[in-house]
Amino acid sequence: AQSVTQLDSQVPVFEEAPVELRCNYSSSVSVYLFWYVQYPNQGLQLLLKYLSGSTLVKGINGFEAEFNKSQTSFHLRKPSVHISDTAEYFCAVSDLGGYQKVTFGTGTKLQVIP
Amino acid sequence: DAGVIQSPRHEVTEMGQEVTLRCKPISGHNSLFWYRQTMMRGLELLIYFNNNVPIDDSGMPEDRFSAKMPNASFSTLKIQPSEPRDSAVYFCASSLASGGARETQYFGPGTRLLVL
Repeated sequence: AQSVTQLDSQVPVFEEAPVELRCNYSSSVSVYLFWYVQYPNQGLQLLLKYLSGSTLVKGINGFEAEFNKSQTSFHLRKPSVHISDTAEYFCAVSDLGGYQKVTFGTGTKLQVIP
Repeated sequence: DAGVIQSPRHEVTEMGQEVTLRCKPISGHNSLFWYRQTMMRGLELLIYFNNNVPIDDSGMPEDRFSAKMPNASFSTLKIQPSEPRDSAVYFCASSLASGGARETQYFGPGTRLLVL
């Protein structure tokens, strides 16, 4: 069984500052990794995903994440945040050999302060 | 494409009443998921359909919950009888099954359910 840990439930950051949202996972098999974003009163949408190959993955809205197998981490970063990035961010993992069951983390609320 | 469509967007009902939530997946998608989101438990998978067949319903909390997918373009999640602890946001998501676990899930806007 897989699990995902998002260490920070809330992250306040000033506009135009960099941000890192942390994600660690646990699995006995190889996994795919995802970051989804949820804006207020909306459903989740995909930011980026790691399937294979380069460990640095670039996504929408200037976000990127780095897969680190030895540390079982998949941290999300953005060099300069905007007010519009205020949202909740979910890290998720799925089993390569399984069907499409995705295990989501508990989410990190990013609050961008003007 | 219109995306995943859910109705109603908001539902307020009294304890003991039947609640039916509806979902229309993205055309051509053959996997469908129902999730429940609460502050206490986060995002939980309730049930997964592939080609209209329920594959994994281990997340369905109890017999009061049931889900159906009579065709590729429609699914329902029913709660009967409803209880206050069922209050949550219920999301439907769809994806292509061909890529397996690597596929992106596309979420609807959710149904916010309040059981009084």
